[in-house]
Amino acid sequence: IQLTQSPSSLSASVGDRVTITCRASQGISTYLAWYQQKSGKAPKLLMYAASTLQSGVPSRFSGSGSGTDFTLTISSLQPEDFATYYCQQLNSYPRTFGQGTKVEIK
Amino acid sequence: QVQLVQSGAEVKKPGASVKVSCKASGYTLTSYFIHWVRQAPGQGLEWMGIINPGTGSTSYAQNFQGRVTMTRDTSTSTVYMELSSLRSEDTAVYYCARDITGFDYWGQGTLVTVSS
Repeated sequence: IQLTQSPSSLSASVGDRVTITCRASQGISTYLAWYQQKSGKAPKLLMYAASTLQSGVPSRFSGSGSGTDFTLTISSLQPEDFATYYCQQLNSYPRTFGQGTKVEIK
Repeated sequence: QVQLVQSGAEVKKPGASVKVSCKASGYTLTSYFIHWVRQAPGQGLEWMGIINPGTGSTSYAQNFQGRVTMTRDTSTSTVYMELSSLRSEDTAVYYCARDITGFDYWGQGTLVTVSS
């Protein structure tokens, strides 16, 4: 299963609402996770089952979608949110990742 | 607290093998699957395979079939990933990650550099 994220990168300001999309090449129900990765660090799980917030993750992060189309939304971008975001499908093996979306400061 | 602690950086010559360890603490190793993911410099995440520490059963990505071996030692709560026939394109950071509903805990990463 291939995952295509868009955009590949974006520039945004603190306080902006940001939306990242992830499209699967075939239906995966809600077997989708989102990760945040900062430079030089391991990825961090933000969301699983498409819309369930991982413990400790701020509520400004939300996820939606099912089947083939998914979104990750940051309601009000904070300075610590500048990072690269990846989606991953958990429906089948191999556990593929999207190519990533880099969120940069405008 | 849950931790996955990986072994240190490695430098290998082309054709050699590397074995990276991932020691689990703060939970029972056999209760959760462990995955290995790698990230080449400036690139995205690539899933390599999975091991069930309880049974030792494994499943590998097609890209690594025949070159990767994942094992575990339950007595030390450690899983291992060995990659053979290394080439320059295998230069990457290698991560282990615990699987619950998504990869909730990750090791700190191990940089493997393949260079002649």
